[in-house]
Amino acid sequence: DAGVTQSPTHLIKTRGQHVTLRCSPISGHKSVSWYQQVLGQGPQFIFQYYEKEERGRGNFPDRFSARQFPNYSSELNVNALLLGDSALYLCASSQSGTRHYGYTFGSGTRLTVV
Amino acid sequence: DAKTTQPPSMDCAEGRAANLPCNHSTISGNEYVYWYRQIHSQGPQYIIHGLKNNETNEMASLIITEDRKSSTLILPHATLRDTAVYYCIVRVAGETSGSRLTFGEGTQLTVNP
Repeated sequence: DAGVTQSPTHLIKTRGQHVTLRCSPISGHKSVSWYQQVLGQGPQFIFQYYEKEERGRGNFPDRFSARQFPNYSSELNVNALLLGDSALYLCASSQSGTRHYGYTFGSGTRLTVV
Repeated sequence: DAKTTQPPSMDCAEGRAANLPCNHSTISGNEYVYWYRQIHSQGPQYIIHGLKNNETNEMASLIITEDRKSSTLILPHATLRDTAVYYCIVRVAGETSGSRLTFGEGTQLTVNP
């Protein structure tokens, strides 16, 4: 079975640009979460979506937005990119939005803002 | 979610048991202890979780003290592939908690040949 897939794997953008990152959860998983991991730190929670509804939001500015599609895949959008947005962006999926199942992470998208 | 404290780094000889400690002195009665690990350049990998009883699976064992203020992850026979950053996380599992995982800085475990 395919795991959580993220695309692209690497991306270079210029300050002020917009970026869209994509995530496909494990088949049957209805919950998708997004995390940002800056070099040398642990991942930080950005969003969680379950059944196409936002169920949680971390302490990130409004430049960050996300959505979940009917097939449960998800997009993370970041507007007006800053140098500080350079990070590994991780997507995690789980079977439910509320239970304590183990969450499966993708390998991430490495975003570099120059 | 309760804050956790872990040593920043640990070393272990290949084939020996690796014991990774975690303090969570402010843990609440409805919070679970989770362990994840992250091998360089990969996404975090779920290892194990527990509430108050000791737990074991094919990857590791989790020992939680009786007062639940600390726990230890045990990798019984560490291999070079176990070199990774190990994160101890405590969180509430329930209808309103969502899937938020609050990662600290973790413990860098290095398994030496």
